[in-house]
This record gives sequence, structure tokens and C-alpha cells, in this order.
Amino acid sequence: AQKVTQAQTEISVVEKEDVTLDCVYETRDTTYYLFWYKQPPSGELVFLIRRNSFDEQNEISGRYSWNFQKSTSSFNFTITASQVVDSAVYFCALSETNFGNEKLTFGTGTRLTIIP
Amino acid sequence: KAGVTQTPRYLIKTRGQQVTLSCSPISGHRSVSWYQQTPGQGLQFLFEYFSETQRNKGNFPGRFSGRQFSNSRSEMNVSTLELGDSALYLCASSLGRGREGYNEQFFGPGTRLTVL
Repeated sequence: AQKVTQAQTEISVVEKEDVTLDCVYETRDTTYYLFWYKQPPSGELVFLIRRNSFDEQNEISGRYSWNFQKSTSSFNFTITASQVVDSAVYFCALSETNFGNEKLTFGTGTRLTIIP
Repeated sequence: KAGVTQTPRYLIKTRGQQVTLSCSPISGHRSVSWYQQTPGQGLQFLFEYFSETQRNKGNFPGRFSGRQFSNSRSEMNVSTLELGDSALYLCASSLGRGREGYNEQFFGPGTRLTVL
């Protein structure tokens, strides 16, 4: 069975600080996808990144970066120079790649508060 | 391109009633998935429809059902509502091709259901 663990329930940092959100996953599949979504107070899940299990390159997009390590089954997300607009709940998710199975298994989320 | 739309956005029902929620996917998307989000259980997969057929199902009782129409719009129905059904119900759409790799899921704003 698949499982995603986000051990950090809530994090608060002062604006401009860097912050890392942790994600650890479990799966028996050799091929899978990992995701990060952002959920602002409005409720809609906003897609941030997708990474497949064969691509362990780290990725940077502006102030966001992701560190994928298969050896530790982790897919951590770092926000550099945080801003108040980054305040939201962030979810890590995992998906199998079997045909016809695009079900996402989500972690419990990390509520990030950026203090101005 | 218009995003995923869900109606209604807010709904208040009483125990024992039934409710129908609607989801209109992004134009061209043939797969619609439904998720339930509660503070206690987090984000949980309900079911997925592709070309009017239920292709995948989560662990929810039979009171939760859905369907998809020929235009890919989907509805989910919850009968005999219980207090624990109070949640944010999120719909996501994707191309749903499966074999060509993971197809991105785009989420709607959700329907917040309150059961009194």
C-alpha cells in the first residue's frame, strides 16, 4: 500500500527566512510519481511540481526547490526567502502509474505560516 | 482555457438527506476524480470516472456514488447524510490517457458541505 508522511503539522517562520517541508513516502511500485500541491485558504489545490521515480535531479523554480532522494524515499520542498503569500497548507502526494490509475495518495499536509 | 468548476460552492444539509455535487472538467479532459477532505482524515480519494465508467474507487461506503455524462461532466451523490460527511469535496480532471504516462490532475475550488 502507498503511504505519504508529512511529519511537520505546522511551521511558522519569519518572512525572508528559508523553510523546508519534509515528505517521506512508501510504495512497492518501481515506477511512480510524486507531487507537491499548495492549498491557500480559498481551498483549491494548486499544482506545484511533479517528479517521476526515474528522475532524481533536483529542481529549482524561482524561490522554490525540490530535493528528491530515492535512497531515503524523501521528496522535500524548500522555499527560499519566504514571503507572506507563501502562507498555505502544502501537500505532498504519490501516484502509481498503472494504466487507468491516477489516484493520488496525499500526506496530511503542513500548514506554513509566514510571519511578516 | 476555463478551469475545473464545481457547483455549488457551499451547501448545508441535515442528517438523513441526500446531496448531489457537480463537477465540470477542463475542456478535452475525460477523467474526473473526486476527493473528500476532512480535518480528521485529510484528503482521501473517492472515485474516478473515465468515459462514463467508474475506473477506480476508494474505501468509502456505498452511500457515496457518482456518475459521468457523455460530455465528461460528473456528479457525485451522497445519500443518507451523516454528520461525518461534512467536508470539502474536491473534483479533479485530467486527460486520463494513462498509458502515455501520468496525466496531470487539475483541481476545482471544491464544494464545502456542512451536515447539521
